[in-house]
Parts: sequence; C-alpha cells; structure tokens
Amino acid sequence: RKEVEQDPGPFNVPEGATVAFNCTYSNSASQSFFWYRQDCRKEPKLLMSVYSSGNEDGRFTAQLNRASQYISLLIRDSKLSDSATYLCVVSAYYGNNRLAFGKGNQVVVIP
Amino acid sequence: ETGVTQSPTHLIKTRGQQVTLRCSSQSGHNTVSWYQQALGQGPQFIFQYYREEENGRGNFPPRFSGLQFPNYSSELNVNALELDDSALYLCASRGGTGNTIYFGEGSWLTVV
Repeated sequence: RKEVEQDPGPFNVPEGATVAFNCTYSNSASQSFFWYRQDCRKEPKLLMSVYSSGNEDGRFTAQLNRASQYISLLIRDSKLSDSATYLCVVSAYYGNNRLAFGKGNQVVVIP
Repeated sequence: ETGVTQSPTHLIKTRGQQVTLRCSSQSGHNTVSWYQQALGQGPQFIFQYYREEENGRGNFPPRFSGLQFPNYSSELNVNALELDDSALYLCASRGGTGNTIYFGEGSWLTVV
C-alpha cells in the first residue's frame, strides 16, 4: 500500500466553482501534513500546512482527519490560475525532510 | 526565490553512464534531501543529509549516492544509468527551527 494515495483526476472545474479532493495516508504515526502545488514542469511549492483543527488561507481550506487518516483540500471561487497539480504530502516527523508525496490531484479550471 | 538552486537544468545521458547533479542551498540550511519525480508521479524520497552525513534513505539502490559539503551545497550521483532513471530530480532544503522545506527548480534527466 502506498504511503499517500490520491485520485489523480483530472478535475475539470468551471471558473468560479468549488472543488474538493481528499488524500489518504497509511502511516498512523505521521506528524506533519501539507498541500503542495506543482505547476507543469516546475518544482512543488508549499501551498499550506494542514493542522488538526483545520485551517484556511483565502479561498483554500484544508482539513485533517487523523482517525480516518485523510486530508482534504477545498478551493472556493476557482480561478484560471488555480490550474495545477495539488500534491498531498505527509511527514512522519516534525521538522524532517523525508516527505511522502501522493501522485497529485490535477485541477483544470475551465473558463 | 527559494534560495535553492540546482544544476544542470536539463541533461541527456546514455544508458550505463554516470551523472552528477548539484544543489546549492541557503546558508544555514543544514538538512538537504533529494527526490526523484517520474512523469505522472509524485516525488519519491531518495535520501537525506544532515551536516554532511546521510541520515535517511528511501527505496533506491546503492548506485544512487550523495554528498553534502560544508558550504551548503550537495550532489546526487547516479551510476550505471537505466532508462527508468529518466525523471525530474529535486533537491530540497530546510534550516534552523523552521518546518518549511524549499525545493529547487529541479534537474530534468533523460536517459536514452
């Protein structure tokens, strides 16, 4: 079983709509959780960390469910510039560089 | 912008050859890790270095090796290249007490 599982999509989203996707992780001892954004042929960039209480950054909301071992990301009022691959990332230790990535959710925002 | 630079950005090698990829991190970033990202996949952890010593390794064979230098630069070496080694190789660094990991722009390796 892979450490982090994501449905790659693509998710075709009309501009202005809301899109949400989850990922699941297998290591119950995982400590740190993130969403990274990766544009085509570019490096991953941190979108947001994910906290147990859930957190929001503008149009982006992340949730963590430790009991069910899944993480979610919701994007409201989608913009064309949101088109990218969103990578779910888990780390077993706080402050450790060893990150486990999912395959990514490919989002295509359509005008 | 991230303070992590990689070279070369693109290269083509022949099967069986050896390659060295380089990474330069921000001053004070003592921890560096390398990832391999094949097309359509998420990055896979290769190994991590802390203060010039390897302190973590993913599921990669010994022909993948690395070095970290006192000047916050590092190298990834791959011997006996195989076609499946074709991928984007990413260097990531973190320093101090921060939890943010910064990626370089990567090196695209094509093995023919």
